[in-house]
Amino acid sequence: DSGVTQTPKHLITATGQRVTLRCSPRSGDLSVYWYQQSLDQGLQFLIHYYNGEERAKGNILERFSAQQFPDLHSELNLSSLELGDSALYFCASSPYPGELFFGEGSRLTVL
Amino acid sequence: GQQLNQSPQSMFIQEGEDVSMNCTSSSIFNTWLWYKQEPGEGPVLLIALYKAGELTSNGRLTAQFGITRKDSFLNISASIPSDVGIYFCAGQLPNSGNTPLVFGKGTRLSVIA
Repeated sequence: DSGVTQTPKHLITATGQRVTLRCSPRSGDLSVYWYQQSLDQGLQFLIHYYNGEERAKGNILERFSAQQFPDLHSELNLSSLELGDSALYFCASSPYPGELFFGEGSRLTVL
Repeated sequence: GQQLNQSPQSMFIQEGEDVSMNCTSSSIFNTWLWYKQEPGEGPVLLIALYKAGELTSNGRLTAQFGITRKDSFLNISASIPSDVGIYFCAGQLPNSGNTPLVFGKGTRLSVIA
């Protein structure tokens, strides 16, 4: 158990819909990262938050947005969903730049 | 962006065999990390390396931070069925601050009992 909690574990929705994925980082970690992993693909970095502020953006679509709240939990919002958005979405937290501790992921299926 | 070349992409080995996989880059990294991902799970940190030349073990796993700081390798000795999974290398660029880790595409390991 990494200490990072992600909900929901599985989500099935239709094209055009909007979903919110939630992440609670390890106790004491200020950094939260979001990654996308499509079938048989590596980990694609989406966005990084540190103590509530956005610090780095990767290949995140404009239809996607995220935020980190004062209690340090984070949410990833995916809107106008397309079939190609089906993937595993991982949240990771880190005590300092370098080591990431991943949650178990949220598997999104868009039908 | 930065890329890590991880090889091999996949390997099928007999139980009891030793395994070796590596990661190379054209860039220098300050930190190298190795993760393992099992089906339906998130990646789990296996070994972290912080100094060029560093050799670190974690049970049957041994990883080294290359002297040039542009590569790293992971060895698994006496493989067992539960070693099955995807192994990812990841690197932290110097002075990267908030830049996230760069990940390789993974080595998929299958162990035949």
